[in-house]
Amino acid sequence: DIQMTQSPHSLSASLGETVSIECLASEGISNYLAWYQQKPGKSPQLLIYYASSLQDGVPSRFSGSGSGTQYSLKISNMQPEDEGVYYCQQGYKYPYTFGAGTKLELK
Amino acid sequence: QVQLKESGPGLVQPSQTLSLTCTVSGFSLTSYNVHWVRQPPGKGLEWMGRMRYNGDTSYNSALKSRLSISRDTSKNQVFLKMNSLQTDDTGTYYCTRETVYWGQGVMVTVSS
Repeated sequence: DIQMTQSPHSLSASLGETVSIECLASEGISNYLAWYQQKPGKSPQLLIYYASSLQDGVPSRFSGSGSGTQYSLKISNMQPEDEGVYYCQQGYKYPYTFGAGTKLELK
Repeated sequence: QVQLKESGPGLVQPSQTLSLTCTVSGFSLTSYNVHWVRQPPGKGLEWMGRMRYNGDTSYNSALKSRLSISRDTSKNQVFLKMNSLQTDDTGTYYCTRETVYWGQGVMVTVSS
């Protein structure tokens, strides 16, 4: 199975700050990488698919990049509603696998 | 609009079988894939398996010996059955259409 190593485990950001979350795959995944946001008691919400494509309705302050085995999610201009846990997930090979998650809090 | 809703028992005895139903609306099961994803309390997400639009299935290798996914297209339902449940199978179980649209999840507790 492809292992997804996500970092950091947690971070805090001030209003308006830019933050990045990294995801490293144990083998190349050809950009089949998605990012999700999950808030307490809610289902995950797809933010980014195919490494850098923004899902409809997601604010443009979210962006994704990367290739091969290394990917990142950038959140520009941190807002209170951006608090939550973020997960990466590879969709290149079954079984699909998720990173362990990054908890983002507002400082 | 696209909707998915999970249903099933909230409590299952250890060693018993879990049966969950995902009822969908707003799309056809013969056009889209439906996945099952679970999440233990306070922990991360685990992909369990997928029912493909053509009826094919794929499973997480870690669960494959215990897991079965099927469907009834006439009822717009996808089913999950997992046997030999243990306490670490406790968690919230989600069905999702291509991980874009998600159900609200159903909490399952494995306990005697």
